[in-house]
Amino acid sequence: GAGVSQSPSNKVTEKGKDVELRCDPISGHTALYWYRQRLGQGLEFLIYFQGNSAPDKSGLPSDRFSAERTGESVSTLTIQRTQQEDSAVYLCASSWRFDTQYFGPGTRLTVL
Amino acid sequence: AQTVTQSQPEMSVQEAETVTLSCTYDTSESDYYLFWYKQPPSRQMILVIRQEAYKQQNATENRFSVNFQKAAKSFSLKISDSQLGDAAMYFCALRLQGAQKLVFGQGTRLTINP
Repeated sequence: GAGVSQSPSNKVTEKGKDVELRCDPISGHTALYWYRQRLGQGLEFLIYFQGNSAPDKSGLPSDRFSAERTGESVSTLTIQRTQQEDSAVYLCASSWRFDTQYFGPGTRLTVL
Repeated sequence: AQTVTQSQPEMSVQEAETVTLSCTYDTSESDYYLFWYKQPPSRQMILVIRQEAYKQQNATENRFSVNFQKAAKSFSLKISDSQLGDAAMYFCALRLQGAQKLVFGQGTRLTINP
């Protein structure tokens, strides 16, 4: 079946602009995660959705970051007033409850 | 808080040889899962192998196996008969039982020399 998909693949924006990143999880997966990967670094947890429960936002670095998910479908990660330090690859993953997480190809965000 | 440490930023191995990537972790919990993920230049994280902490037997997936030492909090990955397609960044990760997020190490870049 289809894996996790993300769009766009690459995004270049100017400092101060807002961006939206999209994630389509694997069909039937109840949990969805967003991670950030800075150049040469490991992944940092940002936010987690599980079904209709309140999301775990404990990893969001500032109030400029927010994410939404409708039911068990698509999620969008929004970064407002982007800064150069937001440049990174943003990876989405999905899983069946607490099972193994499967990752998408990521969105590379470059803030000029 | 949990931490994962990969002390080898880069490793290289000759094709067909065996290489071991190191990972240590720290947690006060006793129930958790450990993972090795591979990230090729395409950026997609691919699960290589998974180990449940309550299992004493080391996990094996074809050419990939782990050496899980719970008391030492060590979780190394052995790749046998290395192939050119194994070249990638390898990340070790930890997830607590009942928790959601994965905690990742900094990664090891593996180069395969033909």
